[in-house]
Amino acid sequence: DAGVIQSPRHEVTEMGQEVTLRCKPISGHDYLFWYRQTMMRGLELLIYFNNNVPIDDSGMPEDRFSAKMPNASFSTLKIQPSEPRDSAVYFCASSAGTGSYEQYFGPGTRLTVT
Amino acid sequence: AQSVAQPEDQVNVAEGNPLTVKCTYSVSGNPYLFWYVQYPNRGLQFLLKYITGDNLVKGSYGFEAEFNKSQTSFHLKKPSALVSDSALYFCAVRDMANTGNQFYFGTGTSLTVIP
Repeated sequence: DAGVIQSPRHEVTEMGQEVTLRCKPISGHDYLFWYRQTMMRGLELLIYFNNNVPIDDSGMPEDRFSAKMPNASFSTLKIQPSEPRDSAVYFCASSAGTGSYEQYFGPGTRLTVT
Repeated sequence: AQSVAQPEDQVNVAEGNPLTVKCTYSVSGNPYLFWYVQYPNRGLQFLLKYITGDNLVKGSYGFEAEFNKSQTSFHLKKPSALVSDSALYFCAVRDMANTGNQFYFGTGTSLTVIP
């Protein structure tokens, strides 16, 4: 398996623009997680899905953030409108609910909002 | 409440010396425990896990960790540190009994191995 795939790897955008981050989890994994990492706040869980259903979105900072998982092989995290304080590295991770249990992380998307 | 504590933000060790990165946890059910490593500009990489069985678990790159139920700890260890081990290390717990199988991560420990 190719592992968790994220795109784009880098995104630079201007304040007010819409940003869409994409994730393809490992095939067969039924959990998908979105995290944000910054120097100031460390690693933060934003939202996670089980079998394509959002389970906990309490970490989503505000209504400007939204996430979807239309099928088992694809998820998006959207920020609209973006702000400079959204600049961070966004990670997607997937795991199985039985069997191996550990999470596997993607390489991340480095977002810079100017 | 479920949580993970990594009491040391920074650990420095000389190359060739043993290293320990500390982790304690709090979870209501049986703990599923994990260690991850993050190299600069990379995603987190799975190192090892404890689910059940032997309290000493071995993982990638010569790392091992010891599960101690009475002390609710899961310290990461390596007998002889390498300069290439310098990285950010995260401990995590997964509560499979409650809270929807969510993962809880510590704040990370930056390990520097001095040549």
